[in-house]
Amino acid sequence: GAVVSQHPSWVICKSGTSVKIECRSLDFQATTMFWYRQFPKQSLMLMATSNEGSKATYEQGVEKDKFLINHASLTLSTLTVTSAHPEDSSFYICSASPQDNTGELFFGEGSRLTVL
Amino acid sequence: TQLLEQSPQFLSIQEGENLTVYCNSSSVFSSLQWYRQEPGEGPVLLVTVVTGGEVKKLKRLTFQFGDARKDSSLHITAAQPGDTGLYLCAGAEAGSYQLTFGKGTKLSVIP
Repeated sequence: GAVVSQHPSWVICKSGTSVKIECRSLDFQATTMFWYRQFPKQSLMLMATSNEGSKATYEQGVEKDKFLINHASLTLSTLTVTSAHPEDSSFYICSASPQDNTGELFFGEGSRLTVL
Repeated sequence: TQLLEQSPQFLSIQEGENLTVYCNSSSVFSSLQWYRQEPGEGPVLLVTVVTGGEVKKLKRLTFQFGDARKDSSLHITAAQPGDTGLYLCAGAEAGSYQLTFGKGTKLSVIP
């Protein structure tokens, strides 16, 4: 199946700093990628839809100025958590769909963010 | 907003037993997917069902999409410890890649 890779797998940062997470589709092109947030023992919560070459679409309640998304190419989307605070600590997961498939999504391995 | 109700939320069974996980909605989905997620990792796609009444089998796992495309079930036969994980159902609206996720079923299979 299609491969989606996320980096870093885990990151620890101090409160007030910014953290960038990368999501790459390794063997296919994806015009659309999705970013999710997952709290322990809970399901995935969609944060935003990332569109190549245009602005991301954010879900209600997600601060676009805090969670900056850039989809610079057909194989890379980045999520930057700006001025991170402890409440931003979470598991962030991206997904992407090949352009020519039936809508199946392939997920990255996830990135565990811990803000001290 | 389409909602997916997944049940049960937690399930602990002995190795060798059978189980069924349900995913229900009042809305119609063009397709429904089942994922399995292990702690600290991203979800892995198990199957996609797109036709009402469709049944797909993946070894000991049987997936069914309801005739009205509002519900789905996952049945595991003779569960094994390796089946332990979080099972998520997710539905897609017509023409969209965006998924609505159920809350997940945390399955523990005890040796």
